Amino acid sequence: KAGVTQTPRYLIKTRGQQVTLSCSPISGHRSVSWYQQTPGQGLQFLFEYFSETQRNKGNFPGRFSGRQFSNSRSEMNVSTLELGDSALYLCASSLGLDEKLFFGSGTQLSVL
Amino acid sequence: GQQVMQIPQYQHVQEGEDFTTYCNSSTTLSNIQWYKQRPGGHPVFLIQLVKSGEVKKQKRLTFQFGEAKKNSSLHITATQTTDVGTYFCAAGAGSYQLTFGKGTKLSVIP
Repeated sequence: KAGVTQTPRYLIKTRGQQVTLSCSPISGHRSVSWYQQTPGQGLQFLFEYFSETQRNKGNFPGRFSGRQFSNSRSEMNVSTLELGDSALYLCASSLGLDEKLFFGSGTQLSVL
Repeated sequence: GQQVMQIPQYQHVQEGEDFTTYCNSSTTLSNIQWYKQRPGGHPVFLIQLVKSGEVKKQKRLTFQFGEAKKNSSLHITATQTTDVGTYFCAAGAGSYQLTFGKGTKLSVIP
């Protein structure tokens, strides 16, 4: 069974640009969560999707958005990038509420 | 919102010594999960605890969930160099998100 796939692995952008990250969950998993990981803050929850519906959202500005498609694949978008958005963005899939998470390898975003 | 405190932030041990990391929540949890992240890697699920006072073992690792379901611990007996990494607890409260602690980074000196 293929794991969680995130693309791209690395991304370099400049301030003010926007970026889209992609996540393909494990086959059969309908829940996809996104986390931002930085050295100082650990893993911060961004949002969770299940069957194309956002069920919860973390404490991030509106510049961070996401969506989920009918095949459970998910994308997250960050607009008007800031230097502080530099981080590892991790996607995780699961079978549902409070189930264990399977993480992808992440997208390392650098904002210059 | 949900907050989870995890201590210590760093732990350096000699190979063969024991290691413990603690996780505390201000609210009652429905479950707690533990993950390990190797350097340069992504978090990998270790275990889930659901019942009050639950204790689970995986070889040299012992996981406990407090009686009040507000705290948890992970204990490693006789650490090995393969145990190196960051250990995270993740609290579930039935709100469609897992709240992660900031992790404990374990270094093992051979």
